[in-house]
Amino acid sequence: DAGITQSPRHKVTETGTPVTLRCHQTENHRYMYWYRQDPGHGLRLIHYSYGVKDTDKGEVSDGYSVSRSKTEDFLLTLESATSSQTSVYFCANQGQGNNSPLHFGNGTRLTVT
Amino acid sequence: AQSVTQPDIHITVSEGASLELRCNYSYGATPYLFWYVQSPGQGLQLLLKYFSGDTLVQGIKGFEAEFKRSQSSFNLRKPSVHWSDAAEYFCAVGAEPGGGADGLTFGKGTHLIIQP
Repeated sequence: DAGITQSPRHKVTETGTPVTLRCHQTENHRYMYWYRQDPGHGLRLIHYSYGVKDTDKGEVSDGYSVSRSKTEDFLLTLESATSSQTSVYFCANQGQGNNSPLHFGNGTRLTVT
Repeated sequence: AQSVTQPDIHITVSEGASLELRCNYSYGATPYLFWYVQSPGQGLQLLLKYFSGDTLVQGIKGFEAEFKRSQSSFNLRKPSVHWSDAAEYFCAVGAEPGGGADGLTFGKGTHLIIQP
């Protein structure tokens, strides 16, 4: 069990509004990730974090920012939502140890109208 | 750059029949390879992983996968499928277990349909 809770599970917002998605983990894992899932694209990395206040960009980071002020929380912010950001967003963490794989939350479905 | 190809978008299998889902990857060094399963409205669940050692790896729910370096493949198999196996299956490759700076690269998925 990854112990990941994503909130909200569903959100509808209008173009141009800011949106923040939250990922909370019950474990104390150092590495956390944000992915988006789109039909025909699989999952693509948006941002990741390797510790408190340590974050870096992934493949599709334009239009997104993240923050990690506590180990257990990793926030994804869309500064000004666009219709192209309609997607399902997944948070993941990586367990302790060098051979630990990613474990995913249940996702947030975001619709930008 | 690393990449993953899952050639089959949809596969239909009869309940009780055997299953093989194909995955081909492109990566310059020894890869970390994964299969994940996703049920509708759910997150991705790890089925199995290959990091090193024995090229035949066992996973949960009766699945196994075989790493073939010469063919750059990591195909997923199950001897007898159950209706509950109907889901989306994703193959992924990474430079590290969690993907690191590049994250894991996922294939586009194979949708498995089980016929009664």
